[in-house]
Amino acid sequence: DAGVIQSPRHEVTEMGQEVTLRCKPISGHNSLFWYRQTMMRGLELLIYFNNNVPIDDSGMPEDRFSAKMPNASFSTLKIQPSEPRDSAVYFCASSFQQTGGVTGELFFGEGSRLTVL
Amino acid sequence: GDSVTQMEGPVTLSEEAFLTINCTYTATGYPSLFWYVQYPGEGLQLLLKATKADDKGSNKGFEATYRKETTSFHLEKGSVQVSDSAVYFCAPSYTGGFKTIFGAGTRLFVKA
Repeated sequence: DAGVIQSPRHEVTEMGQEVTLRCKPISGHNSLFWYRQTMMRGLELLIYFNNNVPIDDSGMPEDRFSAKMPNASFSTLKIQPSEPRDSAVYFCASSFQQTGGVTGELFFGEGSRLTVL
Repeated sequence: GDSVTQMEGPVTLSEEAFLTINCTYTATGYPSLFWYVQYPGEGLQLLLKATKADDKGSNKGFEATYRKETTSFHLEKGSVQVSDSAVYFCAPSYTGGFKTIFGAGTRLFVKA
């Protein structure tokens, strides 16, 4: 079974450009998470969805960031306009969560490494 | 708010040494507790978990016990190998599993 698939794996862009990161979660999972990892701040939760609905976007740093999940098999994280301080590795993770049940593990993609010059 | 604190790294050990990485979390509700591991250039993957007090999670020789009274979930391994070199993350999960909080990560180097 395929794991969480992210694209692109690497992206180098110039300040001011729009960046779109993509994620395909594991089939059957009902929750999707976007994390950002940097040396300075570690692993930060940006936003998570349950059944395609955004539950908590309080971690999204600014209005320049937006995330969508149009269906159960696809999500995007968009940065517009991008800035050098957005350089990081962005991870998508998915899981199956039962309301009131035991917490399921997160399955991570391999990440998208973004460099903004 | 919810938070987790884990031992700062890097931790450098010789092969076959004993490993402990400390982790404490805030006791809001009754979280499930996880340890994830990240190998170079990869995403995080689950190492072990525990879902209720006194549960012991174990995998690949690693163990951690859910200690509700001390709000801790320390990771241990009796004899580390070079292949264990990675970054380890303690991660409590709150509120029905929708929100997992990650510690800062502890980098482990194991020398042959």
